[in-house]
Amino acid sequence: DAGVTQSPTHLIKTRGQHVTLRCSPISGHKSVSWYQQVLGQGPQFIFQYYEKEERGRGNFPDRFSARQFPNYSSELNVNALLLGDSALYLCASSWGWDLNEQFFGPGTRLTVL
Amino acid sequence: GENVEQHPSTLSVQEGDSAVIKCTYSDSASNYFPWYKQELGKRPQLIIDIRSNVGEKKDQRIAVTLNKTAKHFSLHITETQPEDSAVYFCAASDPLTGGGNKLTFGTGTQLKVEL
Repeated sequence: DAGVTQSPTHLIKTRGQHVTLRCSPISGHKSVSWYQQVLGQGPQFIFQYYEKEERGRGNFPDRFSARQFPNYSSELNVNALLLGDSALYLCASSWGWDLNEQFFGPGTRLTVL
Repeated sequence: GENVEQHPSTLSVQEGDSAVIKCTYSDSASNYFPWYKQELGKRPQLIIDIRSNVGEKKDQRIAVTLNKTAKHFSLHITETQPEDSAVYFCAASDPLTGGGNKLTFGTGTQLKVEL
């Protein structure tokens, strides 16, 4: 039984570029959350989607956007990349939207030069 | 919003000893508290969690306690082994206005189990 998968695993971009990160949740899970983890810190919440609807957004600028597809997979988009966007981007899936265990994918390591 | 503080930031123990990591949270509405283990370069892995209607939960060598009145919860690892060496994160659920929930994480504890 496959866990949460993310692609790509690593990505190098330059300032001002745009990036799209992808996530496939555990089969049967309908909720996807995105987190940003800067080196040496805990993950920080970016978005939660459930049944293709945004349930919440963290304290991130409008350059960050996301969506969820009918098969519950999700994309995170970041526009106008800044050096400070360099981080590990983690996707977490859960069965429902409230108080369910969240299981993380391996993450996408984004480096902005 | 929720604020989670975690202590200590580093913890070194001898193999076989116990390790305790403590967290406090600020939002009394939080009612779900998971603990994650993250090895270098890997994903955070859920190791145990507790809900607010329970004071203690145990799974083999790992236990978590919750004091809702004091707003703190702790992770206890007994009979530590070298493979327990990792960064441990506590987290607290934070209700979202849109009807979901997010996790607010602590800053992490680097646990090192020495032979």
